[in-house]
Amino acid sequence: AQKVTQAQTEISVVEKEDVTLDCVYETRDTTYYLFWYKQPPSGELVFLIRRNSFDEQNEISGRYSWNFQKSTSSFNFTITASQVVDSAVYFCALSEANYGQNFVFGPGTRLSVLP
Amino acid sequence: EAGVVQSPRYKIIEKKQPVAFWCNPISGHNTLYWYRQNLGQGPELLIRYENEEAVDDSQLPKDRFSAERLKGVDSTLKIQPAELGDSAVYLCASSSREGTSGGAAQETQYFGPGTRLLVL
Repeated sequence: AQKVTQAQTEISVVEKEDVTLDCVYETRDTTYYLFWYKQPPSGELVFLIRRNSFDEQNEISGRYSWNFQKSTSSFNFTITASQVVDSAVYFCALSEANYGQNFVFGPGTRLSVLP
Repeated sequence: EAGVVQSPRYKIIEKKQPVAFWCNPISGHNTLYWYRQNLGQGPELLIRYENEEAVDDSQLPKDRFSAERLKGVDSTLKIQPAELGDSAVYLCASSSREGTSGGAAQETQYFGPGTRLLVL
């Protein structure tokens, strides 16, 4: 069955520190997609990245980077030189190709970046 | 390009009252989703539409919840009667197919701001 685990409930860092948010997933499908979303206090879920199961290349976008490791079923997210505006709840999500486009979200990690 | 629009943003009602939420997806997106997000948790799917057809409503509590997407564009989610446990944020999302990769279509869901419901 699909499952996404985000073991870190809350993380606090001081501005300019690097922080890694963990995501571990379970799936029975060989074709699947992983996502990260950001939910700021305003409440809207903002899409950050999508990665499919065939592409294990890590990705960097500005201060954000993602490490996808199929061997450990992990898709971790790192913010480099964190800023106060990064404070939000971050969700990891999984979608299995053979089971429609339904997302299973993790419970989220609340990140607080302190000035 | 306009994002997913939802209204109202906030709603306070007494239990046993009806309530309705409206969603207008991103133009051209044929797939529409309704999620419920309880406090401190991730969103959980209630129903998914492909155009006007509900293709997955297995998680929708059909005794009190209903949804429609009559013309395959905007959608309404209704609760009647509301219960205290229905207090949550109701999120709408939309997506469109973006071609294939490795033999399977992939869709990214874009979310609206949500409707925060409080049932007293």
